[in-house]
Amino acid sequence: DQQVKQNSPSLSVQEGRISILNCDYTNSMFDYFLWYKKYPAEGPTFLISISSIKDKNEDGRFTVFLNKSAKHLSLHIVPSQPGDSAVYFCAARSGGSNYKLTFGKGTLLTVNP
Amino acid sequence: GAGVSQSPSNKVTEKGKDVELRCDPISGHTALYWYRQSLGQGLEFLIYFQGNSAPDKSGLPSDRFSAERTGGSVSTLTIQRTQQEDSAVYLCASSIDRGTGYTFGSGTRLTVV
Repeated sequence: DQQVKQNSPSLSVQEGRISILNCDYTNSMFDYFLWYKKYPAEGPTFLISISSIKDKNEDGRFTVFLNKSAKHLSLHIVPSQPGDSAVYFCAARSGGSNYKLTFGKGTLLTVNP
Repeated sequence: GAGVSQSPSNKVTEKGKDVELRCDPISGHTALYWYRQSLGQGLEFLIYFQGNSAPDKSGLPSDRFSAERTGGSVSTLTIQRTQQEDSAVYLCASSIDRGTGYTFGSGTRLTVV
């Protein structure tokens, strides 16, 4: 039973355009969401997070939107750069077990020059 | 150290052999986690250590898997009688306290032949 779903295994965009990565979750107990970025042969690195009390969090070119009623979040990257090409993982945490992250399967983003 | 260090980076072992994977967390980080990523899958939680508390072993897939953390620092994940389905990238992460963002190591790629 996958509690965090990233339904697009891959996404390709042109440099300078917007990249939108989507994530859906089923567990209504999740109250904190994170995005991680992973390059080949490296561990995932934290990118941006959002608490369930917010619907938007912005950090430079990266913005995460949360729609609690739809149990959906998205990561927007504007403008996209070739160096953003990586696998992006959505992760969620519930307030009860606030240390264990549940990850999606990831989306491979390719930004073409 | 500056980051989470894992060794070896790659390990090829024969089916039925035991393996030990090592994780050196960031100095001062009290929380340590093990995850694994099988091909085409998200990151799967294995085990969590927090200070001197009893570890949360709820993610270990079978009793062939065990982990320890000595002196609140270095951790070793041991897989006994390895099987081909154990092939995966094993990732270690640490955080300064539970519930905060993780820092991941680069992982150990385990291949069971």
